[in-house]
Amino acid sequence: GEDVEQSLFLSVREGDSSVINCTYTDSSSTYLYWYKQEPGAGLQLLTYIFSNMDMKQDQRLTVLLNKKDKHLSLRIADTQTGDSAIYFCAVMYSSASKIIFGSGTRLSIRP
Amino acid sequence: DTGVSQDPRHKITKRGQNVTFRCDPISEHNRLYWYRQTLGQGPEFLTYFQNEAQLEKSRLLSDRFSAERPKGSFSTLEIQRTEQGDSAMYLCASSFPGGSGSYEQYFGPGTRLTVT
Repeated sequence: GEDVEQSLFLSVREGDSSVINCTYTDSSSTYLYWYKQEPGAGLQLLTYIFSNMDMKQDQRLTVLLNKKDKHLSLRIADTQTGDSAIYFCAVMYSSASKIIFGSGTRLSIRP
Repeated sequence: DTGVSQDPRHKITKRGQNVTFRCDPISEHNRLYWYRQTLGQGPEFLTYFQNEAQLEKSRLLSDRFSAERPKGSFSTLEIQRTEQGDSAMYLCASSFPGGSGSYEQYFGPGTRLTVT
């Protein structure tokens, strides 16, 4: 079946790197996404990666995909207080269809 | 382009009443999606349209729920005979597949429904 799992919480010190992990069950993924949700706000698309890629970098964000282990990660370099939010991993299994979301990882930043 | 908009942002209704939500997608986006998000969970897919055609519906979409996109632009989601379990954030997203914008779904701010 289609399932996406994430750890619920992550706490990092300001300036350190944050790594948020995600696993999924169905190997027929096409696109994999990371969304950010701040309190009271909508979902913001941060980045996405095609299933035939291993890595994608965009400024402070690095996405790594291990298709063999069905594992996706998001690394945020030099984490800032403004990065505090819930981060959702999401997977699309067929073209232009529904996205399956994980339950989200709440990232908190300590001084 | 102002992004995906949803109206209303908040709705409080009594159990048993009908409610209708509206979503205006990003212009030129031909695909429109509805999701539902409950507290502490990620969004769950409800249904999606390509132009005016409703192509997929989740099992979550009971017969009390109906969605329309009559002219392939805005969409409405109606819930009849609301129940307390319908309380959630209802999210709309749109996308325009093809080229560099392939399959990126952009979300609106959501409509928060509270059923009392």
